Amino acid sequence: GQQLNQSPQSMFIQEGEDVSMNCTSSSIFNTWLWYKQDPGEGPVLLIALYKAGELTSNGRLTAQFGITRKDSFLNISASIPSDVGIYFCAGIKAAGNKLTFGGGTRVLVKP
Amino acid sequence: DAGVTQSPTHLIKTRGQQVTLRCSPKSGHDTVSWYQQALGQGPQFIFQYYEEEERQRGNFPDRFSGHQFPNYSSELNVNALLLGDSALYLCASSLAFRDRGRSPLHFGNGTRLTVT
Repeated sequence: GQQLNQSPQSMFIQEGEDVSMNCTSSSIFNTWLWYKQDPGEGPVLLIALYKAGELTSNGRLTAQFGITRKDSFLNISASIPSDVGIYFCAGIKAAGNKLTFGGGTRVLVKP
Repeated sequence: DAGVTQSPTHLIKTRGQQVTLRCSPKSGHDTVSWYQQALGQGPQFIFQYYEEEERQRGNFPDRFSGHQFPNYSSELNVNALLLGDSALYLCASSLAFRDRGRSPLHFGNGTRLTVT
């Protein structure tokens, strides 16, 4: 089963809002990755984090690698409609690129 | 620059049958991994191939097997299909198996397998 716990499981956004989601684990990961998956497509890499404490931005996205190496968060600033989708965190424990994924955070638009 | 390509995009099989899924890695990549994604869940690691050998394997039965060819493309084979094998099968490629995780995986769009 999955070892990474993502929260929230789903969230509604309104255009212009900032969005936060996080990922926690009971074990240490040496690399954290954030992916976005749109319907009918594979996950697309958003941000990669390689060092504990690292804070990395990619446009409106900002992610941090937790100091304990057991967590990570992703922020989306000034959300837009195309931010809708499923966001997955993934961790790598050792060399070899084997990813362990969280269960995903589904981002939806407020009706 | 061609990304990861997978074929077929959709497939319907009957319980007990066998299936072969195919993957061509992103240009320049030499390592291929396969993941199974059940509906509403995150992808689960099946196995990884580098230099035509299986290098890592997840918690999947021997019914799941694979192959990597000299041109780095790969196949995933599943024998004796079960209803529970219905899922999106994702192929991902990266560069240099030995690279300590700094060659992030690039995913294809997957093959949707339905077992009836």
